[in-house]
Amino acid sequence: KNQVEQSPQSLIILEGKNCTLQCNYTVSPFSNLRWYKQDTGRGPVSLTIMTFSENTKSNGRYTATLDADTKQSSLHITASQLSDSASYICVVRGNSGYALNFGKGTSLLVTP
Amino acid sequence: GAVVSQHPSWVICKSGTSVKIECRSLDFQATTMFWYRQFPKQSLMLMATSNEGSKATYEQGVEKDKFLINHASLTLSTLTVTSAHPEDSSFYICSASEMTVAKNIQYFGAGTRLSVL
Repeated sequence: KNQVEQSPQSLIILEGKNCTLQCNYTVSPFSNLRWYKQDTGRGPVSLTIMTFSENTKSNGRYTATLDADTKQSSLHITASQLSDSASYICVVRGNSGYALNFGKGTSLLVTP
Repeated sequence: GAVVSQHPSWVICKSGTSVKIECRSLDFQATTMFWYRQFPKQSLMLMATSNEGSKATYEQGVEKDKFLINHASLTLSTLTVTSAHPEDSSFYICSASEMTVAKNIQYFGAGTRLSVL
């Protein structure tokens, strides 16, 4: 069964600090990997999307990395802000059809 | 980016009644729309995939007679929770996929919180 595992499950950091979230997957064959930010009570919003050949993708203070050989991805958040408090979800799409494989997310809390 | 509008954002209903949730792609045509369900602190779980003009494909364990899906146009899909019960209370999220295969990206709605009393 295709799986997407995220770590840590939850994280608390001080405002202004950096943090890195991890995503390991077993989806094969692989099409692309996306990171989403989901605020409480809202739908997911796309942060980055990377295909097999991409190693790094940035979106402002968010930088995602991908190692397709080891099937690992990370999301690095720089100079965190209170508004970064949310759930960050790693989503992996295989090559067949539209099916997306969702991680359970990392719940990030940024405190003053 | 593409916008998917979901309505209502929150609905409270009595047990036994039916609730309809709308999902619209505002600035693109979506041949395929998806309905997800999310419990607190859990990941999104795909309920069904709907293609415009055809019957929806339901995931295993999802009752098609309870969760009626209609995708009558390229910009609108609806999910009707029939005879709702408290255990149906959840966060329902739709997503829509752009028509161009090369841009097969799902855009998510803001979600609908359903509370069944």
